[in-house]
Amino acid sequence: AQSVTQLDSHVSVSEGTPVLLRCNYSSSYSPSLFWYVQHPNKGLQLLLKYTSAATLVKGINGFEAEFKKSETSFHLTKPSAHMSDAAEYFCVVSEGTSSASKIIFGSGTRLSIRP
Amino acid sequence: GAVVSQHPSRVICKSGTSVKIECRSLDFQATTMFWYRQFPKQSLMLMATSNEGSKATYEQGVEKDKFLINHASLTLSTLTVTSAHPEDSSFYICSAITGGYEQYFGPGTRLTVT
Repeated sequence: AQSVTQLDSHVSVSEGTPVLLRCNYSSSYSPSLFWYVQHPNKGLQLLLKYTSAATLVKGINGFEAEFKKSETSFHLTKPSAHMSDAAEYFCVVSEGTSSASKIIFGSGTRLSIRP
Repeated sequence: GAVVSQHPSRVICKSGTSVKIECRSLDFQATTMFWYRQFPKQSLMLMATSNEGSKATYEQGVEKDKFLINHASLTLSTLTVTSAHPEDSSFYICSAITGGYEQYFGPGTRLTVT
């Protein structure tokens, strides 16, 4: 069965410094992996996705993630944090191989940005 | 493209009443929609998978008689919380698939049961 672990429940960085949100997964298949962002009382917005193409995936708002099969990781990074990046971030793994497969959410990482 | 809407965005109802939440795919047809529940400061929990024209598939522990899901068309799925109680208060989010692996999420519905 698939699972996903977000290693940090809360990350706090200063504005302008790099962001690293960690995610590890387990999967019986070649997984599809996603990062979503959720601002307070809002729905989820897709940041980026990996579906067996390039291992370094670039997303919106300057975020990117690298799929490392040997480490079963899919960490999310951004070179320079902005105040508007403060939100909850979810790492997600697709459970199966079809487009109608269920997805499994990580527990979430709350990103805070210090002025 | 690939916009999903939910209505209402917020609803307050009295204990014992029922409330219906709509999820619509505005610019695409969705054969499959998903319903999630999110408690404060927690992750999303999948409640059920909704397939157009057939019965929903519920996750273990989710009461199908309490959370009625109907997917009557390719653009609309509804979640009805029957005989609501305060513990049903939560943030309910739906998503829909266009055909790829990505799920497009609605903005969520905040349900408060008094």
